[in-house]
Amino acid sequence: TQLLEQSPQFLSIQEGENLTVYCNSSSVFSSLQWYRQEPGEGPVLLVTVVTGGEVKKLKRLTFQFGDARKDSSLHITAAQPGDTGLYLCAADSWGKLQFGAGTQVVVTP
Amino acid sequence: KAGVTQTPRYLIKTRGQQVTLSCSPISGHRSVSWYQQTPGQGLQFLFEYFSETQRNKGNFPGRFSGRQFSNSRSEMNVSTLELGDSALYLCASSRLAGATYEQFFGPGTRLTVL
Repeated sequence: TQLLEQSPQFLSIQEGENLTVYCNSSSVFSSLQWYRQEPGEGPVLLVTVVTGGEVKKLKRLTFQFGDARKDSSLHITAAQPGDTGLYLCAADSWGKLQFGAGTQVVVTP
Repeated sequence: KAGVTQTPRYLIKTRGQQVTLSCSPISGHRSVSWYQQTPGQGLQFLFEYFSETQRNKGNFPGRFSGRQFSNSRSEMNVSTLELGDSALYLCASSRLAGATYEQFFGPGTRLTVL
């Protein structure tokens, strides 16, 4: 059983559309991170959220940490082909960084 | 500032052989972690080294081992390779940012076991 459940597993949208990716768990975390991985590369850290209810914005990306610190979401506004990639959430569990299975996002022109 | 580098980028081995992968962290980062990424299991934590000592270990058999040198460079070794060891092996170096660690990943080593 995955510590972090991500949904959906796959998302294909047209350029200009909005999308939301979810990361859920039954555990409480002190912080949660979001990464994006492109083919042939390692994951790149996008953001770390640490406070329940926190909202962080990174250009067209909006990250939210649930009030209970058990879940998080990533919303992309007006998606572009450059947003294509595998989006991974991750959280520290007993000193080990545990990752969700990821959401593969494909944005077509 | 140079990023995390991993060598080699691609490797093909046969069952029963052993392999050593290398990782050079970002200058100044003392923590290095290793991960295995496969389509079926996703990204799984192998182990973490800090100042030449293994600080954490994931649930992998003893065939997977690692070490870290005084310059923070790290190596990972897999002995008696199995077909299921085919994967992308990622190395990440960490820095403390506030109360959390930020990880910076290398491009990975793609290992294929035939």
